[in-house]
Amino acid sequence: SYELIQPPSVSVSPGQTASITCSGDELGSKYACWYQQKSGQSPVLVIYQDTKRPSGIPERFSGSNSGNTVTLTISGTQAVDEADYYCQAWDRTTADIVFGGGTKLTVL
Amino acid sequence: QVQLRESGPGLVKPSETLSLTCDVSGYTITTGYYWGWIRQPPGKGLEWVGSFYHSGSTYYKPSLKSRLTISTDTSKNQVSLKLTSVTTADTAIYFCARGIGIAVTPLHFDSWGRGLLVTVSS
Repeated sequence: SYELIQPPSVSVSPGQTASITCSGDELGSKYACWYQQKSGQSPVLVIYQDTKRPSGIPERFSGSNSGNTVTLTISGTQAVDEADYYCQAWDRTTADIVFGGGTKLTVL
Repeated sequence: QVQLRESGPGLVKPSETLSLTCDVSGYTITTGYYWGWIRQPPGKGLEWVGSFYHSGSTYYKPSLKSRLTISTDTSKNQVSLKLTSVTTADTAIYFCARGIGIAVTPLHFDSWGRGLLVTVSS
């Protein structure tokens, strides 16, 4: 089965840049997206089609896709950005929508 | 603005069938998009369960395919999930979400319901 690999945790100081990676076979040839999930809440889409930002999502959120890795970057990280982040992609071979294991972002 | 709300029993016995409904308001499900179910075991990550496309097609997670049925009631603008022969491993928060894709290729979920915790226990 297809897998997306994320680091379990990332820590960042307020105002600094946080980068969360997501790796998978041939991920560069697929569209990926990112969700933010705060404790006790539903996921919120923050990046889609690798680099696009939905309306209402702050400009400090950006995405990139290179090779087998997609990256979510949060510039000028704020305390309000502390959450779990999940990447997601579609695997045509298995006809499966796959989520990464999630990364807990801590702002300290 | 589309709104989604999950409903159903919060407790199901092992070996029985889990049945959930997603009420969609603000958009007619047969007009476009696809409508998915995603679950999250307590304290764990997200797992796609299955999706219904406005064209009438359904797609299921391969590992759940033998136990899963997703259907719709267009008169009520609802999407339903039935998962048979449940075990404790099926205990999770079940989310209903609206999906965006290109043709039959799903891309992302842009709107989510609040989720419903379903516990499988005797």
